[in-house]
Amino acid sequence: AQRVTQPEKLLSVFKGAPVELKCNYSYSGSPELFWYVQYSRQRLQLLLRHISRESIKGFTADLNKGETSFHLKKPFAQEEDSAMYYCALREGFQKLVFGTGTRLLVSP
Amino acid sequence: NAGVTQTPKFRVLKTGQSMTLLCAQDMNHEYMYWYRQDPGMGLRLIHYSVGEGTTAKGEVPDGYNVSRLKKQNFLLGLESAAPSQTSVYFCASSYGQRPTQRRDTQYFGPGTRLTVL
Repeated sequence: AQRVTQPEKLLSVFKGAPVELKCNYSYSGSPELFWYVQYSRQRLQLLLRHISRESIKGFTADLNKGETSFHLKKPFAQEEDSAMYYCALREGFQKLVFGTGTRLLVSP
Repeated sequence: NAGVTQTPKFRVLKTGQSMTLLCAQDMNHEYMYWYRQDPGMGLRLIHYSVGEGTTAKGEVPDGYNVSRLKKQNFLLGLESAAPSQTSVYFCASSYGQRPTQRRDTQYFGPGTRLTVL
């Protein structure tokens, strides 16, 4: 079975500090991974996809097949980055398997 | 476009009562999904639909039923609510194709907070 693990429930950093939200996965095939974000009182929305190798709002994530990881990184955290972050693995055609989420809290 | 909408936003039920949550999307998406979000457990898929008239079980389907009579609507029913079904329920929809573009992702509704006493 596909699994997505986010080991940290809460990550607290100061503004300007680097951020790394961890995500590990187990998958027998070629994985497709995503990061979703949920800001306070807002709906869940896509942040970035590994196949795009994109940088969104300063965040990047690299798929490391050897370590089966897809960590989300940002060099300088901003207060507006405070949110709940979910790593997700695509299963089948469009189904997503989500991790348990990490709450990022950026303090001034 | 309103995107994905959910009705109601909040609801309190007593154990044993029934209710239906409505999800509607105006993006002409083929696929629709119902998730529940619980603290420490993330989002778990309850049921999903790959097209009008079709439904399938997800990870945690027990105690729920769904129907997709119209392409734009996906209903989630609780026949006899239990306290364990206290949760935030999210509906999502997506195009029915392999995601190749950023738009080919799941779009989520605002959620329904359900409390079962």
